[in-house]
Amino acid sequence: EAQVTQNPRYLITVTGKKLTVTCSQNMNHEYMSWYRQDPGLGLRQIYYSMNVEVTDKGDVPEGYKVSRKEKRNFPLILESPSPNQTSLYFCASSFRSALGDYEQYFGPGTRLTVT
Amino acid sequence: KNEVEQSPQNLTAQEGEFITINCSYSVGISALHWLQQHPGGGIVSLFMLSSGKKKHGRLIATINIQEKHSSLHITASHPRDSAVYICAVSQGSARQLTFGSGTQLTVLP
Repeated sequence: EAQVTQNPRYLITVTGKKLTVTCSQNMNHEYMSWYRQDPGLGLRQIYYSMNVEVTDKGDVPEGYKVSRKEKRNFPLILESPSPNQTSLYFCASSFRSALGDYEQYFGPGTRLTVT
Repeated sequence: KNEVEQSPQNLTAQEGEFITINCSYSVGISALHWLQQHPGGGIVSLFMLSSGKKKHGRLIATINIQEKHSSLHITASHPRDSAVYICAVSQGSARQLTFGSGTQLTVLP
């Protein structure tokens, strides 16, 4: 089954304790992204990756790191989480369609609480 | 002014009603996406379109590039259609995806 998986789905942690949210896709998509969703602010892009070893900042990259060592995996790293990073996080992968546009496939989301 | 605006923010309908959700954008786009976010939080892509009209079952999406406007229609609405519907626009690359704030739809039995 074609899918994007994220782990963990739920995480409660404390300020400053490094954490990683994993994201994996089995569709051989080149493009992967991380988004956060906050009430009243909607979805905002954190980082994206056009291919292996190619990553770039989205709209809200501060406090986050990513890596893309393999095509299927795109982990999100919070080196020193803070309470303002409490949010619902989505990983997505996409491919370029024949029309030249990008259809998005989303993971199930990771609800992170930083106390 | 947000680049992508949706209306209404909230919509309550009775089962069977015809529903329209609107999306207006102010930037040049390569495609417009309609997404559905289930009550449990998962997001599913419903449509991606750059012109004209697309139909999947009871869902119809239209776009008018000249007017920078898209609509999502649901015919014969059902309680299982209750969800948040999100409009997003892409501007030529996987990076540039800008989202609207979403429309919360509740369909009552």
